[in-house]
Amino acid sequence: NAGVMQNPRHLVRRRGQEARLRCSPMKGHSHVYWYRQLPEEGLKFMVYLQKENIIDESGMPKERFSAEFPKEGPSILRIQQVVRGDSAAYFCASSPSGQHYGYTFGSGTRLTVV
Amino acid sequence: DQQVKQNSPSLSVQEGRISILNCDYTNSMFDYFLWYKKYPAEGPTFLISISSIKDKNEDGRFTVFLNKSAKHLSLHIVPSQPGDSAVYFCAACATDSWGKFQFGAGTQVVVTP
Repeated sequence: NAGVMQNPRHLVRRRGQEARLRCSPMKGHSHVYWYRQLPEEGLKFMVYLQKENIIDESGMPKERFSAEFPKEGPSILRIQQVVRGDSAAYFCASSPSGQHYGYTFGSGTRLTVV
Repeated sequence: DQQVKQNSPSLSVQEGRISILNCDYTNSMFDYFLWYKKYPAEGPTFLISISSIKDKNEDGRFTVFLNKSAKHLSLHIVPSQPGDSAVYFCAACATDSWGKFQFGAGTQVVVTP
């Protein structure tokens, strides 16, 4: 049973390009969460999704960032027109429906904007 | 606003001794707390949790203590082992915001021989 899979592990984008980060939750997990970790800081909550629904996006920047978790396929965090300040590690976590246990993180995608 | 604070960015401890990591929070609505361990280039790994109805939870070498009146929790690791060298994050959430964890900035633990 594979864990939470994130790809790519490393992503380099030039300023103004789009970044797409993918997250496949653990088997049987229907809840996905995205976090961002800036250098020297802790993880900051961005968005909580269930299949085809955004539950809580209170941590998402108002512009350029969007997330989806379609009926089929992985969850996608999309950053349009990236800027240097978007450089960070982006972590995805998944959990079974409504459970405290099993909240599991992926290994993250490190985004570098040059 | 930083609702979960880990004021010690680093901690050095000798192998075999006790490691004590501290965490303070400001939001009285938080009722579930977790500690995560993170190695470089990996995601955080769940270590131990505690709900607000308890003041202590123990799992092997790891014990978490919760002082609700002081809004303070601590993680004790005893005895410390070289493999415990990692960054430790404290996280908290409220029942009505389940899944939306607030993380502290982390404490880098180095276990020396």
